[in-house]
This record gives sequence, C-alpha cells and structure tokens, in this order.
Amino acid sequence: QKEVEQDPGPLSVPEGAIVSLNCTYSNSAFQYFMWYRQYSRKGPELLMYTYSSGNKEDGRFTAQVDKSSKYISLFIRDSQPSDSATYLCAARGGNEKLTFGTGTRLTIIP
Amino acid sequence: GAVVSQHPSWVICKSGTSVKIECRSLDFQATTMFWYRQFPKQSLMLMATSNEGSKATYEQGVEKDKFLINHASLTLSTLTVTSAHPEDSSFYICSASAGGLPPIYFGEGSWLTVV
Repeated sequence: QKEVEQDPGPLSVPEGAIVSLNCTYSNSAFQYFMWYRQYSRKGPELLMYTYSSGNKEDGRFTAQVDKSSKYISLFIRDSQPSDSATYLCAARGGNEKLTFGTGTRLTIIP
Repeated sequence: GAVVSQHPSWVICKSGTSVKIECRSLDFQATTMFWYRQFPKQSLMLMATSNEGSKATYEQGVEKDKFLINHASLTLSTLTVTSAHPEDSSFYICSASAGGLPPIYFGEGSWLTVV
C-alpha cells in the first residue's frame, strides 16, 4: 500500500464547476499536507499547505485535512480553463521528505 | 514568494558524456535540497536529499556514482549525470527547503535527452 493514494483521473469538468480533488494517506506521522499544481512539462507549483487538521482558504482554493480519517481534499471554486493541470497532493512528517500521490489530471472544459 | 531556479531547462547530450544541472534558491537559504526524477504521466520519484556541506543521501536503487550531487552552498545544489545513457533521458526537478518548516518550493525542471 502506498503511503499517499490519489485517484489519477483523468477528471473533466465544465468551466465554472466546483472541483473536488482527494487523497488518502496511511502514515499517522504525517503532519504537513500540501497541494501542488503541475502544468505539462513544468515543475510543480505550490498551491497550499496545511498543518494537521483543518481548513485553509486562498481565493478560489480550499484545502481540507481530516486526520481522523486520513483524508486530504482540495476544492476549486469557479473553475477556469487555466486550472487544467495535474494536481499533486503531498505529505510529510518530522523530516523534510515529501511523499507524493500519483497526481490527478484535471481538464476544465470551456 | 520564494523562487527556485533550475538551469538548463533543456539539454541534449551524447551517450557517454556527463551533464550538470544546477538548482538555485534565489531569495532564501536552502539548507536542504531534493532531486527528483519524473517519467511521463507519472509522479515525482525522489532520487536524493542533499544538505549543505554534507554528502547527499540517496534513495534505494539510485546509483550515487552515476548521479553525483553537490550542495556546496546554501543557495546552490548541482546534479551531474555521469556517463549518460539514453535511459537516463527524463525530467529532473529539484526542490528546496529553508530548514525544517514548509513550504517546499520546486524548480521549473530540466529536460534531459541523451542521444
């Protein structure tokens, strides 16, 4: 079993829809949870990070972590074609090594 | 926000030669840098972790003599692919941490093609 599981998709939604991206993890030592966006042939771009459980909002993006169920979510409101990318969830514990999900390919249809 | 720069973005080299990729943190001191490899439509595979002034720690299955990593300063780490072969062709990405706490930022990546 991978430490971080993520549905690879692909996921296609119409422009303006709310997108829900999810990951689960198995390592209870994970404390920090991150979402990265990766456009084709580019390096990952940090979108958001959260510590422990809770919600964090930044513009159209909301990250949620539920440590009791080991569930990580990213919500994108009012999705735009420019949001089309691969979204990677990642987690880390006390050291700085990130454990990534496989990434979800998202396409926003105009 | 913090910026991590990688150079070159694209490189083509002949089999048997060596190629060096640089990773720089532009506005913070990176005590730890990470090197990843990514195959098409796959997630990032951690190759090694480098701390400034000490030897890199390689992940299992990564040849340390083939992928030489140097972290000589708090703003620069280099990855040298030695005696490159076509199977080394890949997308190499570095990331940098200011030490202990997130976030961790990634470079733009370097595409290596070995012909």
